[in-house]
Amino acid sequence: DAKTTQPPSMDCAEGRAANLPCNHSTISGNEYVYWYRQIHSQGPQYIIHGLKNNETNEMASLIITEDRKSSTLILPHATLRDTAVYYCIVRVISGGSQGNLIFGKGTKLSVKP
Amino acid sequence: DAGVIQSPRHEVTEMGQEVTLRCKPISGHNSLFWYRQTMMRGLELLIYFNNNVPIDDSGMPEDRFSAKMPNASFSTLKIQPSEPRDSAVYFCASSLGRGYNEQFFGPGTRLTVL
Repeated sequence: DAKTTQPPSMDCAEGRAANLPCNHSTISGNEYVYWYRQIHSQGPQYIIHGLKNNETNEMASLIITEDRKSSTLILPHATLRDTAVYYCIVRVISGGSQGNLIFGKGTKLSVKP
Repeated sequence: DAGVIQSPRHEVTEMGQEVTLRCKPISGHNSLFWYRQTMMRGLELLIYFNNNVPIDDSGMPEDRFSAKMPNASFSTLKIQPSEPRDSAVYFCASSLGRGYNEQFFGPGTRLTVL
């Protein structure tokens, strides 16, 4: 699986949008971009995933560049409960196999009042 | 839905003892994963089951570790004998089907081996 690069930490003001970048310059055509987060002392939580189109759900939006070499996770109105480590993962989906989730170090997002 | 259930939540044991961690996946999910998280190595996949069959155990660190899934609603991860370097948080996750479906993680078991 391709590797990802994320900033180690970011701050965001409560109520503002949090934009978390991820570089995955070696991504292959059959690799999806996944985002998970881990709130302190809890298990990771799925946020969103996409292949090449932008995606939105009730938690966040995922913007993938046209060349697919980078993406941005957007939390539109960050709250204190969004303080967590955010992991960007690229993952192969091929036939019957399930590409493993390989967690890097992620970005520690701190939402401040 | 109760989500993925893990027990115990905390385990403290002495080096050389056998440790058994338990997991109940979400009902209807047919894929189950065991992960280990440490400060040094982050979150690592240990083993993955699909339809109760181990598919990928390449992450199991050594023969002291073993995992079983006797039925669709229960899995165990056993460490025998345990060592201090096994101290970590162990997470179980489950998902529906194979492919790109999201994994739902349990609350984890914090293991301390003295």
